[in-house]
Amino acid sequence: AQSVTQPDIHITVSEGASLELRCNYSYGATPYLFWYVQSPGQGLQLLLKYFSGDTLVQGIKGFEAEFKRSQSSFNLRKPSVHWSDAAEYFCAVGAKQAGTALIFGKGTTLSVSS
Amino acid sequence: DAGVIQSPRHEVTEMGQEVTLRCKPISGHNSLFWYRQTMMRGLELLIYFNNNVPIDDSGMPEDRFSAKMPNASFSTLKIQPSEPRDSAVYFCASQRAPWTGELFFGEGSRLTVL
Repeated sequence: AQSVTQPDIHITVSEGASLELRCNYSYGATPYLFWYVQSPGQGLQLLLKYFSGDTLVQGIKGFEAEFKRSQSSFNLRKPSVHWSDAAEYFCAVGAKQAGTALIFGKGTTLSVSS
Repeated sequence: DAGVIQSPRHEVTEMGQEVTLRCKPISGHNSLFWYRQTMMRGLELLIYFNNNVPIDDSGMPEDRFSAKMPNASFSTLKIQPSEPRDSAVYFCASQRAPWTGELFFGEGSRLTVL
């Protein structure tokens, strides 16, 4: 079955500290992987995506993610968290085909403490 | 370009009433997706359309749910009759061709069924 697992429901990080959000996937075909962010009361916004090539991808707002095929993982990282990064983060997997849906994990809520 | 526009943003109704949620995708996008977000189940795909044609409605929970896309610029999700367990945030998202993988989300419609 195709699925995305985000093991951490809620994470609290001190401002300025590093961040890693975990994502594991199960997908029958070559996975195309995404991280989205959702601020309270808003829709989801794309942070970054991985299709092929370099397994370390850079996104907006200083985020990066690393694809590890052997571990079926696509963890999101940021070296120094800012208070404005507090939000909910979703990992998603899909097929490289126009007009196909993404499967989302249940999300990780990030709180940032001062 | 304007983003994906959803209405209403908030809807409170009583059990048994009909609810209609509306979505206007980004102009030129040819795929449209309806997702439902709850605390317990996260983001679930309900149905999606390619070029106004429903492709996969296996996520529609019951016959009480129906969706239409009469033209490229408008879609509705209808619940009739509504039940308290339908309370959720309903998101519409659109995707453009050629495929980039990114879904563009609206801000969601928060439905409360009393």
